[in-house]
Parts: sequence; structure tokens; C-alpha cells
Amino acid sequence: DVVMTQSPLSLPVTLGQPASISCRSSQSLVHSGGTTYLNWFLQRPGQSPRRLIYMVSHRDSGVPDRFSGSGSGTDFTLKISRVETEDVGVYYCMQATHWPRTFGQGTKVEIK
Amino acid sequence: EVQLVESGGGLVQPGGSLRLSCAASGFIFSSFDMSWVRQAPGKGLEWVSTLIGSSGDTYYADSVKGRFTISRDNSKNTLYLQMTSLRAEDAAVYYCSKGSAIDYSGQGTLVTVSS
Repeated sequence: DVVMTQSPLSLPVTLGQPASISCRSSQSLVHSGGTTYLNWFLQRPGQSPRRLIYMVSHRDSGVPDRFSGSGSGTDFTLKISRVETEDVGVYYCMQATHWPRTFGQGTKVEIK
Repeated sequence: EVQLVESGGGLVQPGGSLRLSCAASGFIFSSFDMSWVRQAPGKGLEWVSTLIGSSGDTYYADSVKGRFTISRDNSKNTLYLQMTSLRAEDAAVYYCSKGSAIDYSGQGTLVTVSS
């Protein structure tokens, strides 16, 4: 199985400041067709997970442009340009290239 | 607007069975892969199973293979998860999700496994 490793696992941030989360996979996430299926999710307290980013860098509908995804191969990053209160929660990366699908451990973002 | 409404969760004894349902609306259900993802209390997300819309192929996490069965009724726009031989470690909130890449998830249904 592909192991997804996130860092850090806890991220205290200051409102208005940038934040960055890393996600590394144990093998390449480039599909045989050439597409890389790496997603990012946010789970706010008491809510179900919401997908923010798909295929490394594509924002889902309604996701603010302060969120951006980047990376390739086995190394990926989610960046928040200016953290807002509503960004608090746990962020997960997930690979959808290989079976079984696998998630990272989660990164808890909280306001300092 | 996409809506996924799970039901069927509850308390079940170890070794027991439960069938979860997910009523879908707001998209052409029969055209999409559908998945189940779960989250044990205080833990992270775990993919459980996916049913491929075009082929009917199914995929399962090793932890549930042979015990859980994913299925769908396109005439009812409903996804199911039949769970048998339930164990304590199956206790979780189960989310129904659109797509094999978890495009959108419902609010979840809680499964408790305890004697």
C-alpha cells in the first residue's frame, strides 16, 4: 500500500499569516495515464471532510484562492496564503492513483 | 446541489451485521463511482470501499475484505454497504462519498460495535 506521510502533524498559525503542509508518498502518484491523483481535504470540527484540492493543484468549486496545491511525483504541498478563522481543522492528503486509496495522518491547524 | 444522506448506523454486537444506505441526489448517480470512507472516534480518515460506476468493479480495504460488500441500486439512486462479522475496530462514522477520489461526502452515520 502507498503510505502517505504528512508534516507537521500540528500547526499553530497566526491569523493573516501563511501556512504550509507537506505530504509525501511512499511511491510515485503519477498514474499510467500521466495524471497525478493527489487530493487535499479539510475536516472542520464536527463536520465531514470537504475536498479542497484535486489532482495536485486544482481547487474545488467554492474553495477560496488563498488555498493552493503544488508538487509532483512523491512530494506535495498545501499552502494557505493568509490563514483565516474558518481554516481551523484537520487537513488530510489522499492519493487516488493506486488501490487501496490511502490518507495521510492529518495535520491539525489551530490559531495561536 | 449534490446531496448524500447516509442511514442505517447504530449499535450492533460483535459478530453482528448492519447495512448502511446512502441516498444520493443532485447528480447523475449511475454515471459515477461511489465510495465509503470511515473515521473511528478521534482518529483519521480511512478509505473502505469503492464501486466503479462504468464497470461494476469493486475495491475494498484489506481490513474489511470478505466481510463488507458495496452495492448500488441505480433505480433508487442509493448506495449500500453490507457489513458482516463486525468487530470492535469497525466502530466509526461511515461517510458515503461521490467518486473514487472522494469528490464530496455526506454527513456520515455512526456505527457502534459493542456487547
